[in-house]
Amino acid sequence: AQKITQTQPGMFVQEKEAVTLDCTYDTSDPSYGLFWYKQPSSGEMIFLIYQGSYDQQNATEGRYSLNFQKARKSANLVISASQLGDSAMYFCAMREFFILTGGGNKLTFGTGTQLKVEL
Amino acid sequence: EAQVTQNPRYLITVTGKKLTVTCSQNMNHEYMSWYRQDPGLGLRQIYYSMNVEVTDKGDVPEGYKVSRKEKRNFPLILESPSPNQTSLYFCASGLPESPLHFGNGTRLTVT
Repeated sequence: AQKITQTQPGMFVQEKEAVTLDCTYDTSDPSYGLFWYKQPSSGEMIFLIYQGSYDQQNATEGRYSLNFQKARKSANLVISASQLGDSAMYFCAMREFFILTGGGNKLTFGTGTQLKVEL
Repeated sequence: EAQVTQNPRYLITVTGKKLTVTCSQNMNHEYMSWYRQDPGLGLRQIYYSMNVEVTDKGDVPEGYKVSRKEKRNFPLILESPSPNQTSLYFCASGLPESPLHFGNGTRLTVT
């Protein structure tokens, strides 16, 4: 099974609207972290937001929020008030700490969602 | 400025010619990792290192080597590059429960 699944290869949103990018994950490790990264056309990877598996509240960073539903194993990224500069590829990633099996520290990425913000 | 520096940014080479992509970080991170990014496949981990002299395979290690002789450096070595190693490569470093810091990427073309 895929560790991280992003089912939306591409999304369009109008400027100033909110958009939700989906991410589901699969792990048996009780301790893990979920990340979202943005990759603009220039190619660099920009960290957006982090959610720990034991965090009680959903993470927020400015216009970004993470809708964390642990029982459903989903970690959707919500971007409010979209801007033209939000057009980019977005990656969901999971870090497993291998508490049960011991050792390692692996960050697994999904295949990404290409977001295009339109006027 | 805290950063991960990888060089070169662009590299075109021929099949079989050994090459090294360098990666250096100035944040005293113990954890470093290499990824390759291919269309439709996202980023896949090649190798990672938990500390000096401690390295381990990721998901796609075939055809690659790494070394970690110093904390700050984690070079990626392709002993005999092949066209299927044409890709965008990222080096990253981080603390155990913090986001990874990525380098700006190396676009490698093997002809």
